[in-house]
Amino acid sequence: AQKVTQAQTEISVVEKEDVTLDCVYETRDTTYYLFWYKQPPSGELVFLIRRNSFDEQNEISGRYSWNFQKSTSSFNFTITASQVVDSAVYFCARGGGNKLTFGTGTQLKVEL
Amino acid sequence: DGGITQSPKYLFRKEGQNVTLSCEQNLNHDAMYWYRQDPGQGLRLIYYSQIVNDFQKGDIAEGYSVSREKKESFPLTVTSAQKNPTAFYLCASSPTGTAQGGYTFGSGTRLTVV
Repeated sequence: AQKVTQAQTEISVVEKEDVTLDCVYETRDTTYYLFWYKQPPSGELVFLIRRNSFDEQNEISGRYSWNFQKSTSSFNFTITASQVVDSAVYFCARGGGNKLTFGTGTQLKVEL
Repeated sequence: DGGITQSPKYLFRKEGQNVTLSCEQNLNHDAMYWYRQDPGQGLRLIYYSQIVNDFQKGDIAEGYSVSREKKESFPLTVTSAQKNPTAFYLCASSPTGTAQGGYTFGSGTRLTVV
């Protein structure tokens, strides 16, 4: 199976700190897609970003940024100036064919 | 508003009973999916369906069954054969049967065996 690894089980930061969530994936495909989802305490997964394997440009959206490096098979997610509302479980996922494969998630706790 | 509705939000089951979790979408998506979430294990695929009247097993299909009689609906039955059914169940859909566009998720059903 082509795995997605999120080695950080839980991260705790103080509000306004920057935090990076790591994601490493395995793939044998030339074409694939990478995703990040946020799961707040309510349970629903909220889509954050999608990248395809041909586009290694980093992306910034407000306080969120993503660093995609094919050479290291990584797709890391950084939150700048974290806020309490960022507290959630974050999932990285790889899409290939007709399925998404998810990592085990990283629980982010942002405290005052 | 378009979206995915899962019901009930909380479900309690006695040992040996079958229970059915509902998933309805009004997004006109072709593909639908069921995932199980356990602490520390992420999301694992149970079943998926790319078109009406067709579905495939995912990674952990044993003890579960599904049907796809209508495009909008993809109910999941947790049978008595599922040895450890207590978990959080998430339904998702996507416009096509590929993973290209990502999924839209419902808000989940938390199943507890009592």
